[in-house]
Amino acid sequence: DTAVSQTPKYLVTQMGNDKSIKCEQNLGHDTMYWYKQDSKKFLKIMFSYNNKELIINETVPNRFSPKSPDKAHLNLHINSLELGDSAVYFCASSLGATNSPLHFGNGTRLTVT
Amino acid sequence: GNSVTQMEGPVTLSEEAFLTINCTYTATGYPSLFWYVQYPGEGLQLLLKATKADDKGSNKGFEATYRKETTSFHLEKGSVQVSDSAVYFCALPTSSNTGKLIFGQGTTLQVKP
Repeated sequence: DTAVSQTPKYLVTQMGNDKSIKCEQNLGHDTMYWYKQDSKKFLKIMFSYNNKELIINETVPNRFSPKSPDKAHLNLHINSLELGDSAVYFCASSLGATNSPLHFGNGTRLTVT
Repeated sequence: GNSVTQMEGPVTLSEEAFLTINCTYTATGYPSLFWYVQYPGEGLQLLLKATKADDKGSNKGFEATYRKETTSFHLEKGSVQVSDSAVYFCALPTSSNTGKLIFGQGTTLQVKP
């Protein structure tokens, strides 16, 4: 059983479109995250939810809107896609306490043309 | 706030060579320290962790010791294999108790037969 699964794995779209990425975890964790990995492999946190409540919102354009319908799901919707949004987006989950390790999904490679 | 710095890559080694990837940190208190590995096309996986000073984390032949005196957590392996080719990330929690991890910039390791 996949612990953290995200779909789709690949997403190719044109500038200006709106797209969503879905994430689900079956680990029973309370906290979920979205990270963005750029072409140089640098990882930057975008959002974190704890029990469906937003607890981290880094400096991310408001074109990005996370939604957590329940604590096992955290989706990411992106409006008006731009070339600079091309990256790999990773969903992760953890128990949420400081020092808890993160469990990552396999990523969604978004390419905006 | 907490931060982490890794040696720059890429690192290219022959099979059975000794590996060291340097990681130094600055932190408030003594948070847990982590090494994650990212194989091509996959998400990050926890490789090992250490929860307090002088702890040694180990897994799959990799080791790292939490050194308070030098604020370091260097990753080592005595004999690398081609299958170890991946990107390695050092990480630690932020000081804000949100469960968020800060990652180093990643070090790409390529092992040649």
